Amino acid sequence: DAGVTQSPTHLIKTRGQQVTLRCSPKSGHDTVSWYQQALGQGPQFIFQYYEEEERQRGNFPDRFSGHQFPNYSSELNVNALLLGDSALYLCASSFGLAGQETQYFGPGTRLLVL
Amino acid sequence: DAKTTQPPSMDCAEGRAANLPCNHSTISGNEYVYWYRQIHSQGPQYIIHGLKNNETNEMASLIITEDRKSSTLILPHATLRDTAVYYCIIYYNFNKFYFGSGTKLNVKP
Repeated sequence: DAGVTQSPTHLIKTRGQQVTLRCSPKSGHDTVSWYQQALGQGPQFIFQYYEEEERQRGNFPDRFSGHQFPNYSSELNVNALLLGDSALYLCASSFGLAGQETQYFGPGTRLLVL
Repeated sequence: DAKTTQPPSMDCAEGRAANLPCNHSTISGNEYVYWYRQIHSQGPQYIIHGLKNNETNEMASLIITEDRKSSTLILPHATLRDTAVYYCIIYYNFNKFYFGSGTKLNVKP
């Protein structure tokens, strides 16, 4: 049973560019959450997708957007990249049922913005 | 967001029990206590969670005080591979996970 997978593992972009990160949830999971982790800090919640809609959102600007597909996989898009967007981006999946929200994390995508 | 307070770092001798404390004085009655750990910038790994009762699984034990304002994660026999940052999280009903800064556990030979 494959766990949460993310692609790519590493990415280098320049300021102003756009980036798309991808996540496949653990088998049977229908909810995907995205987190940003800057160096030396804990992960910060970006948003959560359930039934192809954004259900919760953290304190991130509209430059951060997402999508969930019918097969429950998800994308995170970041427009107009800033140097401060350099971070490890984590995807987590879970069941969309109350009481079964334990989130399982992928290995992350490390983004470097130059 | 319900907040947690954890010591920034702790040391533990290999083979001994590691007891990691967490204060969550603003926790509500229907909020769970979750513990995750993160080893060297890998994705966080789920350890255990609980609501009111103490919990135990193959990785660890979770002790929650009766007033639920604090909890302790216990790794019964720490190994070098348990060196990681441990996060205590309060969570309810699809609310976002708030990780905080965590506790860096150093297991020493």
